[in-house]
Amino acid sequence: GQNIDQPTEMTATEGAIVQINCTYQTSGFNGLFWYQQHAGEAPTFLSYNVLDGLEEKGRFSSFLSRSKGYSYLLLKELQMKDSASYLCAVRGRDTGFQKLVFGTGTRLLVSP
Amino acid sequence: NAGVTQTPKFRILKIGQSMTLQCAQDMNHNYMYWYRQDPGMGLKLIYYSVGAGITDKGEVPNGYNVSRSTTEDFPLRLELAAPSQTSVYFCASSPPTGYEEQYFGPGTRLTVT
Repeated sequence: GQNIDQPTEMTATEGAIVQINCTYQTSGFNGLFWYQQHAGEAPTFLSYNVLDGLEEKGRFSSFLSRSKGYSYLLLKELQMKDSASYLCAVRGRDTGFQKLVFGTGTRLLVSP
Repeated sequence: NAGVTQTPKFRILKIGQSMTLQCAQDMNHNYMYWYRQDPGMGLKLIYYSVGAGITDKGEVPNGYNVSRSTTEDFPLRLELAAPSQTSVYFCASSPPTGYEEQYFGPGTRLTVT
């Protein structure tokens, strides 16, 4: 089955850069997603990686290494509104390509 | 364009009661999903559907049932509610394009006492 690991909690300062790591184990890897979830709200899509390398989208970037089973989400110029949980999710052959398996999420606290 | 809608937003059930959580999407998405999220945890898949008339179990289906009679609607039924079903329930949908970003509804907070 799939196993996804993320740090439980991270703290950072406004204006700084933070990297949130995600490691996974799956057979037939077919994509990795990052979602942002503010407290009490629904997850919202941030990024998608299926090939190795870096995908950049404004202040957010996501990196994937399929051979290492590793991804990270990079947040630059942190703002207070970036305080949220960040969920890593993987799609693979072993659980069906129509489904995502989510990690438990990393809670990021941004302080002034 | 409302996206994914869920009702109710909040509900308190007594042990043994039943209820249906409603989910609807207006994006003509084939794929729909039900998740539950316990405090401090990730999302666990309960059931999913790849189209009208087709449903399948996810990771934690026990105590739940679903139906998909139309593309738009995907209700989740709880029979004989138990305290272990206290959770936040999210419905999601996605198009089968290969780039399957899932769009989530606002969630239903359910407490069983």
